[in-house]
Amino acid sequence: KAGVTQTPRYLIKTRGQQVTLSCSPISGHRSVSWYQQTPGQGLQFLFEYFSETQRNKGNFPGRFSGRQFSNSRSEMNVSTLELGDSALYLCASSLEVDNEQFFGPGTRLTVL
Amino acid sequence: GQNIDQPTEMTATEGAIVQINCTYQTSGFNGLFWYQQHAGEAPTFLSYNVLDGLEEKGRFSSFLSRSKGYSYLLLKELQMKDSASYLCAVRYNTDKLIFGTGTRLQVFP
Repeated sequence: KAGVTQTPRYLIKTRGQQVTLSCSPISGHRSVSWYQQTPGQGLQFLFEYFSETQRNKGNFPGRFSGRQFSNSRSEMNVSTLELGDSALYLCASSLEVDNEQFFGPGTRLTVL
Repeated sequence: GQNIDQPTEMTATEGAIVQINCTYQTSGFNGLFWYQQHAGEAPTFLSYNVLDGLEEKGRFSSFLSRSKGYSYLLLKELQMKDSASYLCAVRYNTDKLIFGTGTRLQVFP
């Protein structure tokens, strides 16, 4: 069974631009969560989707948004990029909301 | 807030035993996970505790005390490949999974 995949793996953008990251969960998994990981802050929860509905949202500004499609694939979007948005963005999927999460390899975003 | 506290760094010797502690706020607690993350890689699941007691899985064991808001991950017969960050994560009734900042373990020969 294929694992969680994320595209792209690496991305370089400049301040003010917007970016869309994609996550394909493990087949059959309906829950997808997004996290931001930085050296200083560790893993910070962004949002969680289940069956196309956002169930939870972390403490991030409205520039961060996401959605989930009917095939459980998910995207997250960051608009008006800031230097501080440089981070590793991790997607994790699980069968149901409170199950073990399987992480993808992440997308490393660099904002210049 | 829902702070998760764990030591920043630990060192140990190959073949030894190490215990990584994690404390958390108990209100709304609904389960605790431990993850391992090697440098440059994604976290991988190690264990899940929702009831008090010890869960053993090979060389790794995880303990939970819900009343004390305390968990530990015990690694036995340490190997060099165990050098990694160990993340404690707590799920609260809000269903949010809150991660600690991780404990970086270095195993020396």
